[in-house]
Amino acid sequence: QKEVEQNSGPLSVPEGAIASLNCTYSDRGSQSFFWYRQYSGKSPELIMSIYSNGDKEDGRFTAQLNKASQYVSLLIRDSQPSDSATYLCAVNLSWGKLQFGAGTQVVVTP
Amino acid sequence: EAGVAQSPRYKIIEKRQSVAFWCNPISGHATLYWYQQILGQGPKLLIQFQNNGVVDDSQLPKDRFSAERLKGVDSTLKIQPAKLEDSAVYLCASSLGGSETGELFFGEGSRLTVL
Repeated sequence: QKEVEQNSGPLSVPEGAIASLNCTYSDRGSQSFFWYRQYSGKSPELIMSIYSNGDKEDGRFTAQLNKASQYVSLLIRDSQPSDSATYLCAVNLSWGKLQFGAGTQVVVTP
Repeated sequence: EAGVAQSPRYKIIEKRQSVAFWCNPISGHATLYWYQQILGQGPKLLIQFQNNGVVDDSQLPKDRFSAERLKGVDSTLKIQPAKLEDSAVYLCASSLGGSETGELFFGEGSRLTVL
């Protein structure tokens, strides 16, 4: 069974600080990785994708990938109350079939 | 552009009853997915269609769940008979193709409560 593991949280982050989320995966053949954000009672929405080792920045978000360690992370800089949500790590197993982790709940406190 | 439409939004049924959920993907999206999301867990893929063909249904409990995508557009997911553990949000998603972009567009979901 291919797995995607995340810390469930909640991760409490002061407003303006950096939130750091981690994800590990078991399928060594996976080549593409994604972070989805899910507000309470809403459906997931894609916020970041990463395909190569290293960092990828998009606004206040930075995704980091280390395929050798089978590790993906997401940094949220200058965290805002609107960032309070559950962040789902997803791994593309094949042909768009995404395996999701259980998600990390982030709570940004004023 | 209209998003992924799902109905009904909420459904409450007794165990052993049946239920059906409907999904209309974004126009032009060839790939359609049904995910099950149990409270506190990530979405789990039940079935993936490419046009009107099944790409993956390995995690679909076929003794009680069925899904179809006639004419490669709308899709229906049916549960018969329902069990207590089927209580979840059923998310429909679509994407342009079976690509590596991983960008799935999700509907608002159908929340099922089985009593």
